[in-house]
Amino acid sequence: QLQLQESGPGLVKPSETLSLTCSVSGGPTNTFYWSWVRQPPGKGLEWIGFVHYGGTTKYNPALQSRVSMSIDTSRNQLSLHLKSVTAADSATYYCARASVQEFSRGGGAFYYASDVWGQGITVTVSS
Amino acid sequence: QSVLTQPPSASGTPGQPITISCSGGSSNIGSNHVFWYQQFPGTAPKLLIYRTTQRPSGVPDRFSGSKSGTSASLAITGLRSEDEADYYCAAWDDTLSGFWVLGGGTKVTVL
Repeated sequence: QLQLQESGPGLVKPSETLSLTCSVSGGPTNTFYWSWVRQPPGKGLEWIGFVHYGGTTKYNPALQSRVSMSIDTSRNQLSLHLKSVTAADSATYYCARASVQEFSRGGGAFYYASDVWGQGITVTVSS
Repeated sequence: QSVLTQPPSASGTPGQPITISCSGGSSNIGSNHVFWYQQFPGTAPKLLIYRTTQRPSGVPDRFSGSKSGTSASLAITGLRSEDEADYYCAAWDDTLSGFWVLGGGTKVTVL
């Protein structure tokens, strides 16, 4: 059974880089796409992006200039880095497998929906 | 502010049907499939409906999804107390090279 577990610091200072790891067990990371989603306290979900082990990434345009994702298949881990954080980046961060593949006729490209999620990690940005 | 518009709340008594709406635009719901997620307080979201109308294995058939034009709906027939949760719609948006957009969520209360 596939399981995902986020880890990282629960507190990050403003202007610094938020770095999270997602450990995957019960399945390899060299298949499918993998995504990150966040949820500010008391608010809705926001898609951050998804990544493929081959290096392909797609990010939320609102975060693209500050975010990077990668996969270490040898450790079966995903990584998320978000730089220059502010209080607005305080949220619960989820990693998820994005195995539901769809084709966008309008965009002429595939996209991937999240189906199995980690439990999430709460990160607060504060000095 | 969310790209997809959902009512913030919906409620019903056990056994009643309820419907949650999700309004978008031509570049998201109008062009692509709609997905729905269910989230209980303090837990991760769970995929409830994919490809607009499909249910993953294990999701009760009292949950159903539909779409018309640039709007989608999630229907729950035979509401049960354990359905009390937050529900989010999501769709791929074709603008800006493509990205996921989501609704603000609808809190379902079982009276």
